[in-house]
Amino acid sequence: GQQVMQIPQYQHVQEGEDFTTYCNSSTTLSNIQWYKQRPGGHPVFLIQLVKSGEVKKQKRLTFQFGEAKKNSSLHITATQTTDVGTYFCAGPSNTGKLIFGQGTTLQVKP
Amino acid sequence: ETGVTQTPRHLVMGMTNKKSLKCEQHLGHNAMYWYKQSAKKPLELMFVYNFKEQTENNSVPSRFSPECPNSSHLFLHLHTLQPEDSALYLCASSQGRGTGNTIYFGEGSWLTVV
Repeated sequence: GQQVMQIPQYQHVQEGEDFTTYCNSSTTLSNIQWYKQRPGGHPVFLIQLVKSGEVKKQKRLTFQFGEAKKNSSLHITATQTTDVGTYFCAGPSNTGKLIFGQGTTLQVKP
Repeated sequence: ETGVTQTPRHLVMGMTNKKSLKCEQHLGHNAMYWYKQSAKKPLELMFVYNFKEQTENNSVPSRFSPECPNSSHLFLHLHTLQPEDSALYLCASSQGRGTGNTIYFGEGSWLTVV
């Protein structure tokens, strides 16, 4: 079946370092969404990318959708302790349901 | 405040108990979902309702029984659960079931089966 995979599963960085998580789909996606889940919290929508090669920025976060629309990345510049959490990508299946990757958990050491 | 409210937030139940999780969304959405989140596993979609009709059952065991009386309310009835069912159960809603719709999650119900 269709799969969405994320790497790495865990990442520990020193505050101020950059961080990147990668998302790969086994099939071409019409769009990709990113969510963040803080420790003990629930997933919260961050952004949606639709176009091939699209790049969107939210302050220190940069999201990119691959040219083939099968991969995506989230890059955080100069991490802060508030960036701690698990970042999920999600893409729609051909039946419309959203398939989530397993997430990348980010730890930031102050 | 997420617009999706879940109760209870924490639940401990024995394997022979019957309990229910409740979800209410205040966003005017048409689709509602139950997800299960276990440690070290991706979010697992359990059920999807669109305009009160169940449109997806992701091979969920019958000890989990959903109920959707209207577009704003969703229940998950629990009966004779197993310890491995302990997890965070997330309710969510979206405007529709279309592929571009953003999903809004509730804060979740932490379930422990003893």
